[in-house]
Amino acid sequence: DTAVSQTPKYLVTQMGNDKSIKCEQNLGHDTMYWYKQDSKKFLKIMFSYNNKELIINETVPNRFSPKSPDKAHLNLHINSLELGDSAVYFCASSQDEGSEQYFGPGTRLTVT
Amino acid sequence: KDQVFQPSTVASSEGAVVEIFCNHSVSNAYNFFWYLHFPGCAPRLLVKGSKPSQQGRYNMTYERFSSSLLILQVREADAAVYYCACYQAGTALIFGKGTTLSVSS
Repeated sequence: DTAVSQTPKYLVTQMGNDKSIKCEQNLGHDTMYWYKQDSKKFLKIMFSYNNKELIINETVPNRFSPKSPDKAHLNLHINSLELGDSAVYFCASSQDEGSEQYFGPGTRLTVT
Repeated sequence: KDQVFQPSTVASSEGAVVEIFCNHSVSNAYNFFWYLHFPGCAPRLLVKGSKPSQQGRYNMTYERFSSSLLILQVREADAAVYYCACYQAGTALIFGKGTTLSVSS
């Protein structure tokens, strides 16, 4: 059983489009995250949700909007995609804020 | 500024013990986390804590502002990216930029 899953694994789209990436965890965790891994492999936190409430919102353009329909899901919506949004996006979850995080396999987004 | 620092690359030979060093400037951070990442896969936690610990071939040293990951009897299959991270209370894990380990036979 996959603990943290993301769909799609690959996403190729054109500038200006709107896209979503879905994340689901079956670990019963209370906290979920989105990270962006840039071309230099740097993993940077974007958002953190605890029990469906936003608790961390780093300096991310407001074109990015996380949505948590329930505790097991945290989806990432991106509007008006730009070339610089091309990256690998990782979803993760943990039991609480300070616990170890379990990652999904990542979604490689390519904006052309 | 809260940051985690680690070397970008480390090279080793099969069978050796390889050490990857990490230090941080993160305020109120007490725990280190070491993750292994093969491109295309999910990063996986190897070892963590606020004291020296061991999980199989992976040893973690601990000082207040630094930690090393030691991989015993390194194999070619260990070639991957290793991330060091610290947890800052009230925020999230702050990751270093990753260390790419290369292993020669």
